Amino acid sequence: KAGVTQTPRYLIKTRGQQVTLSCSPISGHRSVSWYQQTPGQGLQFLFEYFSETQRNKGNFPGRFSGRQFSNSRSEMNVSTLELGDSALYLCASSRGEGALSEKLFFGSGTQLSVL
Amino acid sequence: AQSVTQLGSHVSVSEGALVLLRCNYSSSVPPYLFWYVQYPNQGLQLLLKYTSAATLVKGINGFEAEFKKSETSFHLTKPSAHMSDAAEYFCAVGAGGGGATNKLIFGTGTLLAVQP
Repeated sequence: KAGVTQTPRYLIKTRGQQVTLSCSPISGHRSVSWYQQTPGQGLQFLFEYFSETQRNKGNFPGRFSGRQFSNSRSEMNVSTLELGDSALYLCASSRGEGALSEKLFFGSGTQLSVL
Repeated sequence: AQSVTQLGSHVSVSEGALVLLRCNYSSSVPPYLFWYVQYPNQGLQLLLKYTSAATLVKGINGFEAEFKKSETSFHLTKPSAHMSDAAEYFCAVGAGGGGATNKLIFGTGTLLAVQP
């Protein structure tokens, strides 16, 4: 069974550009959440989706957005990139609505570098 | 609001020695607590989780953690370190208190080095 797949693995962009990251959850998983990981701020929650609906959003500016498709695949978009957006973006999936009793499976992440 | 504090950003042990990684939590509701491990250039892997059942939780790779409400702690231990245990370890608390969310609040991580 394939794990959580994130594409691309590495990405280099320049300030002001926008970027779209993709996450394919494990087959049968309907919940997807995104985290940003940086050396300075650590792991921070971005947003969470279940059945195409955003259930939770972290404390990030509106430049960060996401969506989930009917096949549970998710994308996140960052517009007007800033140097501080350089980070490892991690996606995680679970089977149901969460409640934290389920196991979260993380992808290997997309490493975004903003120059 | 929930939060976790990991004491010690770097821990170094000798192979075969006890591993002890410290985590203290703050939660206004009964907490869901987790330990994750991250190897270089990889995502996070769940080691173990506490969800109000047994206070001593056994995980993968010989790790275990004990929930101590009186000390608001959830320290991770392994009796004998192996070279392959070298990684970064994250303690996390569930933000929803058991509600329909997978939102986790992570600690700042502890980098474990294992010396031969």
